[in-house]
Amino acid sequence: AQTVTQSQPEMSVQEAETVTLSCTYDTSESDYYLFWYKQPPSRQMILVIRQEAYKQQNATENRFSVNFQKAAKSFSLKISDSQLGDAAMYFCAYRSMNYGGSQGNLIFGKGTKLSVKP
Amino acid sequence: EPEVTQTPSHQVTQMGQEVILRCVPISNHLYFYWYRQILGQKVEFLVSFYNNEISEKSEIFDDQFSVERPDGSNFTLKIRSTKLEDSAMYFCASSANTGTLRTDTQYFGPGTRLTVL
Repeated sequence: AQTVTQSQPEMSVQEAETVTLSCTYDTSESDYYLFWYKQPPSRQMILVIRQEAYKQQNATENRFSVNFQKAAKSFSLKISDSQLGDAAMYFCAYRSMNYGGSQGNLIFGKGTKLSVKP
Repeated sequence: EPEVTQTPSHQVTQMGQEVILRCVPISNHLYFYWYRQILGQKVEFLVSFYNNEISEKSEIFDDQFSVERPDGSNFTLKIRSTKLEDSAMYFCASSANTGTLRTDTQYFGPGTRLTVL
């Protein structure tokens, strides 16, 4: 079974600085997807960024980028120019590649609570 | 931009009562999911639904739970006899399968907070 581990329960960053959130996962599959979701105090789950395992290029979305190391099974999230609105819980998630009639469920890590200091 | 909606935002119920949580997925999506998050814990998969039947379910999804797509827009989660430990945030999600680039991304609704007293 696949597992996702986020080893940093809490992180803190100064506004305008850069922070990196860690995520490792365990799988025997070669094709899969990885995601970072943000959960602000409202508790809604918001997609931040996604990465396909077959792509070597790291995904980027504006101030958010990932460092995907497939051999090491590592998928870290870098937030540049941190803003107060980035303060939230961040969840790393894994999903198997499509198969059959199911698109597969997401497997989440325990999350990292990010605080942004003004 | 289309989004997943859920009602109610907060549901309070007595132990042993039945509750129905409602979701309206994004209109052209074909795959639907329920997840739950007990306060302070990680998000856990409950069930996925495709082509009017359950595709996958976790061990959490026991006989007390059921899902239904009663019409072309709603997707519901029913808990027949609620327990104290069912208190959690319940998230609905949906995804598409149209062959476009982002079809595998699951988009989440805002959640329903269920409190069982």
